[in-house]
Amino acid sequence: DSGVTQTPKHLITATGQRVTLRCSPRSGDLSVYWYQQSLDQGLQFLIQYYNGEERAKGNILERFSAQQFPDLHSELNLSSLELGDSALYFCASSVAGSGGGELFFGEGSRLTVL
Amino acid sequence: QKEVEQDPGPLSVPEGAIVSLNCTYSNSAFQYFMWYRQYSRKGPELLMYTYSSGNKEDGRFTAQVDKSSKYISLFIRDSQPSDSATYLCAMNNAGNNRKLIWGLGTSLAVNP
Repeated sequence: DSGVTQTPKHLITATGQRVTLRCSPRSGDLSVYWYQQSLDQGLQFLIQYYNGEERAKGNILERFSAQQFPDLHSELNLSSLELGDSALYFCASSVAGSGGGELFFGEGSRLTVL
Repeated sequence: QKEVEQDPGPLSVPEGAIVSLNCTYSNSAFQYFMWYRQYSRKGPELLMYTYSSGNKEDGRFTAQVDKSSKYISLFIRDSQPSDSATYLCAMNNAGNNRKLIWGLGTSLAVNP
Protein backbone atom coordinates (compact mmCIF):
# COMPACT_ATOMS: atom_id res chain seq x y z
CA ASP A 1 0.00 0.00 0.00
CA SER A 2 1.60 3.25 -1.19
CA GLY A 3 -0.47 5.44 1.13
CA VAL A 4 -1.95 7.36 -1.83
CA THR A 5 -5.71 7.01 -2.14
CA GLN A 6 -7.63 7.58 -5.36
CA THR A 7 -11.37 7.53 -5.93
CA PRO A 8 -13.30 6.34 -7.79
CA LYS A 9 -11.48 3.22 -9.00
CA HIS A 10 -13.67 2.88 -12.06
CA LEU A 11 -16.11 5.12 -13.81
CA ILE A 12 -18.02 4.90 -17.03
CA THR A 13 -19.53 7.97 -18.60
CA ALA A 14 -20.68 9.37 -21.91
CA THR A 15 -19.06 11.77 -24.33
CA GLY A 16 -19.60 15.40 -23.43
CA GLN A 17 -19.88 14.71 -19.72
CA ARG A 18 -17.71 15.94 -16.86
CA VAL A 19 -16.08 13.86 -14.12
CA THR A 20 -13.98 14.59 -11.04
CA LEU A 21 -11.19 12.32 -9.84
CA ARG A 22 -10.00 12.61 -6.26
CA CYS A 23 -6.60 11.95 -4.70
CA SER A 24 -5.34 11.96 -1.13
CA PRO A 25 -1.53 11.99 -0.97
CA ARG A 26 0.65 10.13 1.50
CA SER A 27 0.76 11.68 4.90
CA GLY A 28 3.45 14.36 4.90
CA ASP A 29 3.78 14.62 1.11
CA LEU A 30 3.23 18.12 -0.20
CA SER A 31 3.48 17.41 -3.94
CA VAL A 32 0.75 15.82 -5.99
CA TYR A 33 1.21 14.79 -9.60
CA TRP A 34 -1.47 13.68 -12.05
CA TYR A 35 -0.66 11.25 -14.85
CA GLN A 36 -2.63 9.73 -17.70
CA GLN A 37 -1.71 6.20 -18.79
CA SER A 38 -2.78 4.65 -22.06
CA LEU A 39 -1.43 1.68 -23.97
CA ASP A 40 -0.08 3.68 -26.87
CA GLN A 41 1.20 6.75 -25.01
CA GLY A 42 2.34 5.27 -21.74
CA LEU A 43 2.51 7.50 -18.67
CA GLN A 44 1.97 11.15 -19.54
CA PHE A 45 2.54 13.85 -16.94
CA LEU A 46 -0.45 16.18 -16.70
CA ILE A 47 0.09 18.58 -13.82
CA GLN A 48 1.84 19.03 -10.47
CA TYR A 49 0.73 20.85 -7.35
CA TYR A 50 2.91 21.66 -4.37
CA ASN A 51 1.37 22.76 -1.10
CA GLY A 52 -1.72 24.12 -2.81
CA GLU A 53 0.02 25.93 -5.67
CA GLU A 54 0.29 24.79 -9.27
CA ARG A 55 3.96 23.99 -9.85
CA ALA A 56 4.15 22.61 -13.38
CA LYS A 57 1.98 21.72 -16.32
CA GLY A 58 2.63 18.90 -18.71
CA ASN A 59 0.46 17.57 -21.50
CA ILE A 60 -2.79 18.65 -19.91
CA LEU A 61 -5.67 19.55 -22.21
CA GLU A 62 -7.56 22.80 -21.71
CA ARG A 63 -10.68 20.71 -20.99
CA PHE A 64 -8.91 19.34 -17.93
CA SER A 65 -8.20 21.24 -14.73
CA ALA A 66 -6.97 20.41 -11.27
CA GLN A 67 -6.58 21.90 -7.85
CA GLN A 68 -5.02 21.06 -4.52
CA PHE A 69 -6.91 21.96 -1.38
CA PRO A 70 -5.60 23.19 2.01
CA ASP A 71 -5.76 19.64 3.39
CA LEU A 72 -3.50 18.67 0.44
CA HIS A 73 -5.98 16.42 -1.31
CA SER A 74 -6.30 17.07 -5.01
CA GLU A 75 -8.99 16.82 -7.64
CA LEU A 76 -8.66 16.42 -11.40
CA ASN A 77 -11.64 17.66 -13.37
CA LEU A 78 -12.20 16.32 -16.87
CA SER A 79 -14.88 18.02 -18.95
CA SER A 80 -16.41 17.73 -22.42
CA LEU A 81 -15.18 14.18 -22.41
CA GLU A 82 -14.20 12.49 -25.64
CA LEU A 83 -13.70 8.83 -26.47
CA GLY A 84 -9.95 9.40 -26.51
CA ASP A 85 -9.98 10.46 -22.87
CA SER A 86 -10.58 6.84 -21.87
CA ALA A 87 -7.48 5.90 -19.88
CA LEU A 88 -6.07 5.20 -16.46
CA TYR A 89 -5.51 8.34 -14.42
CA PHE A 90 -2.91 8.12 -11.69
CA CYS A 91 -2.15 10.41 -8.86
CA ALA A 92 1.31 10.31 -7.30
CA SER A 93 2.77 12.15 -4.36
CA SER A 94 6.23 12.99 -3.12
CA VAL A 95 7.76 15.00 -0.35
CA ALA A 96 9.74 17.33 -2.57
CA GLY A 97 8.39 20.24 -4.54
CA SER A 98 10.86 21.11 -7.22
CA GLY A 99 13.25 18.25 -6.81
CA GLY A 100 13.19 14.55 -7.36
CA GLY A 101 12.69 11.78 -4.94
CA GLU A 102 10.51 8.74 -5.06
CA LEU A 103 7.04 9.06 -6.51
CA PHE A 104 4.32 7.13 -4.68
CA PHE A 105 1.43 6.22 -6.95
CA GLY A 106 -2.17 5.47 -6.12
CA GLU A 107 -4.00 2.56 -7.71
CA GLY A 108 -5.49 4.75 -10.38
CA SER A 109 -8.94 5.67 -11.65
CA ARG A 110 -9.99 3.86 -14.80
CA LEU A 111 -12.14 6.13 -16.96
CA THR A 112 -14.21 4.74 -19.80
CA VAL A 113 -15.95 7.21 -22.08
CA LEU A 114 -18.68 5.69 -24.25
CA GLN B 1 10.95 8.86 -32.59
CA LYS B 2 10.21 8.72 -28.87
CA GLU B 3 12.82 10.01 -26.44
CA VAL B 4 12.70 6.71 -24.58
CA GLU B 5 12.14 3.38 -26.31
CA GLN B 6 11.18 0.22 -24.48
CA ASP B 7 10.14 -3.08 -26.00
CA PRO B 8 6.61 -3.78 -24.69
CA GLY B 9 7.07 -7.56 -24.84
CA PRO B 10 5.38 -9.58 -23.55
CA LEU B 11 8.33 -11.48 -22.15
CA SER B 12 7.67 -14.94 -20.76
CA VAL B 13 10.33 -16.84 -18.81
CA PRO B 14 10.45 -19.91 -16.56
CA GLU B 15 10.89 -19.48 -12.83
CA GLY B 16 14.54 -19.14 -11.88
CA ALA B 17 15.60 -17.55 -15.18
CA ILE B 18 17.70 -14.41 -15.44
CA VAL B 19 15.64 -11.63 -16.97
CA SER B 20 17.06 -8.68 -18.88
CA LEU B 21 14.88 -5.63 -19.47
CA ASN B 22 16.14 -2.69 -21.50
CA CYS B 23 15.47 0.88 -22.54
CA THR B 24 17.23 3.08 -25.04
CA TYR B 25 17.08 6.85 -25.05
CA SER B 26 18.11 9.65 -27.33
CA ASN B 27 18.82 12.57 -24.99
CA SER B 28 22.46 12.47 -23.94
CA ALA B 29 21.72 14.92 -21.11
CA PHE B 30 19.75 12.33 -19.15
CA GLN B 31 21.47 11.56 -15.84
CA TYR B 32 18.79 10.14 -13.56
CA PHE B 33 17.44 6.70 -14.37
CA MET B 34 14.68 4.81 -12.64
CA TRP B 35 12.91 1.50 -12.93
CA TYR B 36 9.35 1.24 -11.71
CA ARG B 37 7.36 -1.98 -11.37
CA GLN B 38 3.63 -1.99 -12.01
CA TYR B 39 1.47 -4.92 -11.03
CA SER B 40 -1.86 -5.42 -12.77
CA ARG B 41 -4.50 -2.97 -11.52
CA LYS B 42 -1.94 -1.14 -9.38
CA GLY B 43 0.11 2.00 -9.65
CA PRO B 44 3.84 1.94 -10.45
CA GLU B 45 6.28 1.57 -7.55
CA LEU B 46 9.93 2.54 -7.56
CA LEU B 47 12.29 -0.40 -7.86
CA MET B 48 15.70 1.06 -8.64
CA TYR B 49 17.16 4.57 -8.87
CA THR B 50 20.52 5.27 -10.52
CA TYR B 51 22.43 8.46 -11.10
CA SER B 52 24.76 8.69 -14.09
CA SER B 53 26.59 5.59 -15.30
CA GLY B 54 27.41 2.34 -13.64
CA ASN B 55 25.70 -0.50 -11.84
CA LYS B 56 23.52 -0.65 -8.79
CA GLU B 57 22.49 -3.85 -7.07
CA ASP B 58 19.61 -4.50 -4.69
CA GLY B 59 18.99 -8.11 -3.83
CA ARG B 60 18.03 -9.98 -6.99
CA PHE B 61 17.86 -6.76 -9.02
CA THR B 62 20.70 -5.00 -10.80
CA ALA B 63 20.33 -1.75 -12.70
CA GLN B 64 22.93 -0.88 -15.28
CA VAL B 65 23.44 2.40 -17.15
CA ASP B 66 25.63 2.78 -20.24
CA LYS B 67 25.54 6.44 -21.11
CA SER B 68 27.91 6.05 -24.06
CA SER B 69 25.37 3.76 -25.72
CA LYS B 70 22.33 5.55 -24.25
CA TYR B 71 21.13 2.21 -22.94
CA ILE B 72 19.87 1.12 -19.54
CA SER B 73 19.11 -2.36 -18.29
CA LEU B 74 17.42 -4.06 -15.38
CA PHE B 75 18.50 -7.60 -14.57
CA ILE B 76 16.43 -9.89 -12.38
CA ARG B 77 18.20 -12.97 -11.05
CA ASP B 78 16.40 -16.11 -9.93
CA SER B 79 13.12 -14.71 -11.23
CA GLN B 80 9.97 -15.60 -9.29
CA PRO B 81 6.29 -15.71 -10.30
CA SER B 82 5.83 -12.68 -8.02
CA ASP B 83 8.07 -10.72 -10.42
CA SER B 84 5.34 -10.95 -13.07
CA ALA B 85 4.48 -7.32 -13.75
CA THR B 86 5.11 -4.49 -16.17
CA TYR B 87 8.47 -2.78 -15.77
CA LEU B 88 8.71 0.89 -16.69
CA CYS B 89 11.90 2.83 -17.17
CA ALA B 90 11.92 6.55 -16.49
CA MET B 91 14.64 9.13 -16.81
CA ASN B 92 15.46 12.82 -16.97
CA ASN B 93 18.31 15.27 -16.88
CA ALA B 94 17.27 17.31 -13.88
CA GLY B 95 16.38 14.86 -11.14
CA ASN B 96 13.00 16.51 -11.25
CA ASN B 97 9.93 14.33 -11.18
CA ARG B 98 7.82 16.55 -13.38
CA LYS B 99 10.37 16.23 -16.18
CA LEU B 100 10.49 12.44 -16.09
CA ILE B 101 10.27 10.76 -19.48
CA TRP B 102 8.74 7.30 -19.30
CA GLY B 103 9.09 4.20 -21.41
CA LEU B 104 5.91 2.36 -22.39
CA GLY B 105 6.78 -0.57 -20.14
CA THR B 106 7.72 -4.21 -20.71
CA SER B 107 5.25 -6.87 -19.62
CA LEU B 108 6.98 -9.80 -17.88
CA ALA B 109 5.46 -13.16 -17.01
CA VAL B 110 7.46 -15.60 -14.88
CA ASN B 111 5.98 -19.07 -15.16
CA PRO B 112 6.23 -21.56 -12.27
